[in-house]
Amino acid sequence: DIQMTQSPSSLSASVGDRVIITCRASQGIRNDLGWYQQKPGKAPKRLIYGASRLQSGVPSRFSGSGSGTEFTLTISSLQPEDFATYYCLQYNSDPQWTFGQGTKVEIK
Amino acid sequence: QVQLVESGGGVVQPGESLRLSCAASGFTFSNSGMHWVRQAPGKGLEWLGFILFDGTRKYYADSVKGRFTISRDNSENTLSLQMNSLTTDDTAVYYCAKGDSATSQGGYWGQGTLVTVSS
Repeated sequence: DIQMTQSPSSLSASVGDRVIITCRASQGIRNDLGWYQQKPGKAPKRLIYGASRLQSGVPSRFSGSGSGTEFTLTISSLQPEDFATYYCLQYNSDPQWTFGQGTKVEIK
Repeated sequence: QVQLVESGGGVVQPGESLRLSCAASGFTFSNSGMHWVRQAPGKGLEWLGFILFDGTRKYYADSVKGRFTISRDNSENTLSLQMNSLTTDDTAVYYCAKGDSATSQGGYWGQGTLVTVSS
């Protein structure tokens, strides 16, 4: 089974900061990775698919990169509405999904 | 637009069964594989299983294999999750999610339905 290791588990940042979240896969998954944002009490919302493709309607301050085993989600300038928990999801072993453990982005 | 609406959650006792439903609209349901995912209180996301677009193949996480069954009714645009022999560890919000992960047509989730297993 493919394991996803996400880091950090939490971070504190200020509005306007650049934030980087990383996911590492236990084996190569090409670019079969998505990033999701989840706010309390809400369903996850997909931001990125194919490691770097922006989901329609998602602000351009979100970007994804990586291939193989190392992936990053970057928020170029953190906005108040971006405080949430972020998850990576690998679907290389589709239809079996594996999620990262999540990264909680909190206000500094 | 794509809409997924789960229902059927509630409070049950350990050992009991529950059936969840997911009503789909805004896309051709019979063309899409569908997933179930859950999230225990304060925890991360756990994939539970998948059913192919035509219902001919199903895949399950080891944690629910043999207890949970996924089915679908393409004539009613409905996905189901039959959960048997529930334990307190099954307490979670349950989400249905559209397949097609590698394309812009994927990434859609329902709002979730809460299942509480408690004596």
